[in-house]
Amino acid sequence: NAGVTQTPKFQVLKTGQSMTLQCAQDMNHNSMYWYRQDPGMGLRLIYYSASEGTTDKGEVPNGYNVSRLNKREFSLRLESAAPSQTSVYFCATVVGGYYEQYFGPGTRLTVT
Amino acid sequence: AQRVTQPEKLLSVFKGAPVELKCNYSYSGSPELFWYVQYSRQRLQLLLRHISRESIKGFTADLNKGETSFHLKKPFAQEEDSAMYYCALWGAQKLVFGQGTRLTINP
Repeated sequence: NAGVTQTPKFQVLKTGQSMTLQCAQDMNHNSMYWYRQDPGMGLRLIYYSASEGTTDKGEVPNGYNVSRLNKREFSLRLESAAPSQTSVYFCATVVGGYYEQYFGPGTRLTVT
Repeated sequence: AQRVTQPEKLLSVFKGAPVELKCNYSYSGSPELFWYVQYSRQRLQLLLRHISRESIKGFTADLNKGETSFHLKKPFAQEEDSAMYYCALWGAQKLVFGQGTRLTINP
């Protein structure tokens, strides 16, 4: 039982390059979330998916797109990376009815 | 809109001293509040939630609706408590986090 997994763990991109961050969960949770963590800013919600087939914008969606591929997987795509997107990205799921979130290990992204 | 504020970015106390991490919130509905902790090189994990009224690792937090606060307290700090702490509020199908407080326990 791996919980929430994220790939890759580290990535360095050049400005303008694109990439997709992958997230998968084996806990059969309906809701999945993408956050970014920046010093002094806490965790900010980028996008979330309350259930398979639905996605909604969070606090900071600009420059990102998401795909809820199936119940297990929720990917985050940067179409044209910018230095302002340098951050640590966390994927999370939530236990329905309890609102407790389970987090992945994070992806550290640097855009030069 | 829901909002969580943690006024202290950094907090440093000595081992054995009491600890209080402040959290204030704004939300029009009935709040579901949480504290999450992130130890060095580990993922975020739930520390406690207000509805369960439990004490985890000696930490407690009381919801004060009048002051819209959910401060985290521990009477005697331990070195292993050094970590990043986030207060969070659940509403409208999402969790909103505060900016976080980095707690350092000095020996």
